[in-house]
Amino acid sequence: QKEVEQNSGPLSVPEGAIASLNCTYSDRGSQSFFWYRQYSGKSPELIMSIYSNGDKEDGRFTAQLNKASQYVSLLIRDSQPSDSATYLCAVRPQGGKLIFGQGTELSVKP
Amino acid sequence: DTEVTQTPKHLVMGMTNKKSLKCEQHMGHRAMYWYKQKAKKPPELMFVYSYEKLSINESVPSRFSPECPNSSLLNLHLHALQPEDSALYLCASSQRQVGNQPQHFGDGTRLSIL
Repeated sequence: QKEVEQNSGPLSVPEGAIASLNCTYSDRGSQSFFWYRQYSGKSPELIMSIYSNGDKEDGRFTAQLNKASQYVSLLIRDSQPSDSATYLCAVRPQGGKLIFGQGTELSVKP
Repeated sequence: DTEVTQTPKHLVMGMTNKKSLKCEQHMGHRAMYWYKQKAKKPPELMFVYSYEKLSINESVPSRFSPECPNSSLLNLHLHALQPEDSALYLCASSQRQVGNQPQHFGDGTRLSIL
């Protein structure tokens, strides 16, 4: 069974620090990788997509993909209290359905 | 604000009622999805429509009935629901069902079954 695993947290970081969120996946054929942010009571919001090995940066967010090790991570620099949310890692195997991890709850303390 | 619009935002219904959830997107996406999400759990796929045809039904009970009238609209008809069906129902769309394009979610409908 294809799986995506994340630490459920909560991950607590001080304001201004770097938050590091990790995700591993089981299907080596996976082609596309996404990070969604979900505030409590709201819907998931796409914040990053990554498709090839390496780093992809967008503002304070950096997604990192290592297909050989089957992990994808999200770094949030200069974390703000407004970044406090649940972060969902989602992986799509080739031709398959999007598979979500259980989500990591991030808490940024002022 | 999202480009996928869902109505209503909240719905309370009895177990004998019939209601419908609606979803609309104008991004030209040809794949649309219904998900169910319980508290502190990830979204759980229910149905996928590709080019207005039902592509995937994840063994969803027949009290949930999807409909895709055209490429921009997706409905979910509800009948005789159970209390355990109370959840956040999410609609999403993507350019195509197959491929690398991300799915974009609407704001969801929070459904409560009395």
